Amino acid sequence: AQSVTQLGSHVSVSEGALVLLRCNYSSSVPPYLFWYVQYPNQGLQLLLKYTTGATLVKGINGFEAEFKKSETSFHLTKPSAHMSDAAEYFCAVSGGGATNKLIFGTGTLLAVQP
Amino acid sequence: GAVVSQHPSWVICKSGTSVKIECRSLDFQATTMFWYRQFPKQSLMLMATSNEGSKATYEQGVEKDKFLINHASLTLSTLTVTSAHPEDSSFYICSAGAGGLANYEQYFGPGTRLTVT
Repeated sequence: AQSVTQLGSHVSVSEGALVLLRCNYSSSVPPYLFWYVQYPNQGLQLLLKYTTGATLVKGINGFEAEFKKSETSFHLTKPSAHMSDAAEYFCAVSGGGATNKLIFGTGTLLAVQP
Repeated sequence: GAVVSQHPSWVICKSGTSVKIECRSLDFQATTMFWYRQFPKQSLMLMATSNEGSKATYEQGVEKDKFLINHASLTLSTLTVTSAHPEDSSFYICSAGAGGLANYEQYFGPGTRLTVT
């Protein structure tokens, strides 16, 4: 079984500040981990993913995440927040493969203050 | 990149009627498509997994007779909400899976907002 926990349903940062969105997972098989962003009334856009190999993954828009097996974590970071980063962020886990379903966390709404 | 479309983007229907939502993979073939439901300010809940040419696999608690899923081709899956009621009002999102084990990714459609009056 797999599950995802996102700590903090709402995170607020100032423009230019560090963004840290937390994600912890549980998986009985080697996990495939994803971060998605959703803007209002839109679908999901993939920010980055970890499947195998390098544990520090770089994604689009300056985001990156580090897979830490010992901590069962996959936190999302960005050094400097932009106003355009304000959105809902979802962490997800899968067992891998085209037929394996994604299990989503509850999401974190990121607000960026000017 | 891989693009998934949904039609319609929004629909309003009267209680008791049926509504069909289409999900298409525009530039790739998807043997597996997924249907999600999202309530306001909540996460995505998987409703069913749709495999081309076979019956969909529904998640626990999802009524298969109410949410009919058809995956007739490698680029098209449809979700029909039968005898819709106001509690079926939601944001429905589909995705299509592609890639092998190492580069697997689900590509999401833009969603369909259903309002049942």
